[in-house]
Order: sequence, then structure tokens, then C-alpha cells
Amino acid sequence: DQQVKQNSPSLSVQEGRISILNCDYTNSMFDYFLWYKKYPAEGPTFLISISSIKDKNEDGRFTVFLNKSAKHLSLHIVPSQPGDSAVYFCAARRGFNDYKLSFGAGTTVTVRA
Amino acid sequence: EAQVTQNPRYLITVTGKKLTVTCSQNMNHEYMSWYRQDPGLGLRQIYYSMNVEVTDKGDVPEGYKVSRKEKRNFPLILESPSPNQTSLYFCASFPGGGGPYNEQFFGPGTRLTVL
Repeated sequence: DQQVKQNSPSLSVQEGRISILNCDYTNSMFDYFLWYKKYPAEGPTFLISISSIKDKNEDGRFTVFLNKSAKHLSLHIVPSQPGDSAVYFCAARRGFNDYKLSFGAGTTVTVRA
Repeated sequence: EAQVTQNPRYLITVTGKKLTVTCSQNMNHEYMSWYRQDPGLGLRQIYYSMNVEVTDKGDVPEGYKVSRKEKRNFPLILESPSPNQTSLYFCASFPGGGGPYNEQFFGPGTRLTVL
């Protein structure tokens, strides 16, 4: 039973526009959330994270929003660039030092020129 | 260069023939883990190790073994591979202990096909 869900398998967006990726979770014990980006033939790389004590974290073009009451988080990419075309995984764990990550199924983002 | 390496990158084998996928990290990380990625399921943890000689099962450990005799190496062993173990496998390491570097670092992946 997947505890982290990404219900949109794919997203197509025009270059320069905003990409919004969504993620829902069911385990109320999760309190640290991460986004990973994966290019073909490479391993996932860490993108951005957020602790449950915050509702927003921003890093350059990437912003993650967390709505704990709805058990929902989203990743915004503004503006989208061709190099952002990749698979994005949402992940969660139960604490800052918890070693176990639970991943969503991933969303494939395609940025059109 | 800080990295996690895996070998082989691609492997085609037959049912029942024992195989080992190696994983090595050069960052002196305490924690290492194996994941498999399957379409529609994301990454699922197979086994993890919190330090030398300390390993534990993840979400999908059946059919796999691991060992952690040295801090830098964490091989994944399939004693009798079956077609349902055809997948993309990732090794990851993590410094542990909190602090700013708390994300997991992934290797490049091993594409395994069991016929």
C-alpha cells in the first residue's frame, strides 16, 4: 500500500510557464518531505525538501508547499526550462534523522520549447 | 569526486543463476540502502544498513540478501533470481546523524533482466 502518491504520471508545460507537481500522503507520522529529480540513465538527485514545521520552502526557481491538514504537498517550478524535463519523485520520512524514505510513483515533466 | 558507484550497469541473466550487484560509496556515509524502481510504483526499499554489520529489511526484501562487511561497500545478492526481479535497482548512501546534508545520494542504477 503506497503511502506517498503522485496521481499525475505526466505533465507537459511550455517553456517559461509554471510547472506544478502534486503529491499526497497517507501516513500522519511523516514529517519531512523531499523532492528528487531523475534524468534517464541516471540516479535520482535531491532537489528540495521541507520540514513539517514549515508550509513553504523556496530555492531559486523551485518552491515546495506543504499543507499538513490535507496531507498534500506541491512543487512549483517557475519559470520552467527545457533542462527541467525529467521524472520528479516525491518522498517522505518520519523524522529528520529517519533513514527510511517512502517514494511516490513519479511524475514525468516535459518542457516544450 | 563524491559518488556512489554500482556495477554492473546492465545485466541480463537467466532464472536461478546467482548474481551480485556491487555498490560502493566514497563519502564515509554510515547508512546505505537498496531500492528497486518499477513502473507505477516508484522506488521501493529492499534492504538498508545503518552501519557495518548492521542490516535490516525494507519494504520488499523477499528474494534478496545483503551484507555490510566494510563501510564503503553494500552488495546486493540474488541467490536464485526470478523474472519478477527484473527491475531497475538503485543503491543510495546517507550520512545520517542529522545536519544539513541529510539527503540520500543515489548511484546511477543497474538495469537487471531475468529471463
